[in-house]
Amino acid sequence: DQQVKQNSPSLSVQEGRISILNCDYTNSMFDYFLWYKKYPAEGPTFLISISSIKDKNEDGRFTVFLNKSAKHLSLHIVPSQPGDSAVYFCAASEASNDYKLSFGAGTTVTVRA
Amino acid sequence: ETGVTQSPTHLIKTRGQQVTLRCSSQSGHNTVSWYQQALGQGPQFIFQYYREEENGRGNFPPRFSGLQFPNYSSELNVNALELDDSALYLCASSAPGRFTEAFFGQGTRLTVV
Repeated sequence: DQQVKQNSPSLSVQEGRISILNCDYTNSMFDYFLWYKKYPAEGPTFLISISSIKDKNEDGRFTVFLNKSAKHLSLHIVPSQPGDSAVYFCAASEASNDYKLSFGAGTTVTVRA
Repeated sequence: ETGVTQSPTHLIKTRGQQVTLRCSSQSGHNTVSWYQQALGQGPQFIFQYYREEENGRGNFPPRFSGLQFPNYSSELNVNALELDDSALYLCASSAPGRFTEAFFGQGTRLTVV
């Protein structure tokens, strides 16, 4: 069963505009959430994370928002740059499961010049 | 500090054969996890090794097995290969007490024909 879902397989955005990626989860035991970025022929690279005790975490152009009641998180990239074109994976983990990662299927972001 | 390295990068095997994939964890990391990423999907957790012991397993059959060595490098073995085993196999390592921060290798692309 898919506990982490990314319902948008792709997103196209103009350079300089905001990219918003969404992620939903079903397991209420998840207490840590991460976003990974993946280029072709490379492994996923950690981007940003958020603990369930927070509702927002910011790192430069990247901000992650967590809505626990809705079991929803989102990643905002502002402003979007051509180098941001990649596949973005949402992942979740729980302390009781030694933080093994459950991933969504990914969203392919294309930033248009 | 070297990152996570995996070998080989690509591999073609015949159905029914056995395969061994290798992973060198990042320096200082004692936890290694393996993931399978099928085409168009997110990575799926296979198992995790901590201090040379299996520490959790995902929904994969026993023909998927692993080892972790005293230097924390790891192997993933798959017996009786099936066509559906064709995927990108990712290894991730974590530092002691830092389970939430997993660093991935570039993966091994396995094709079963």
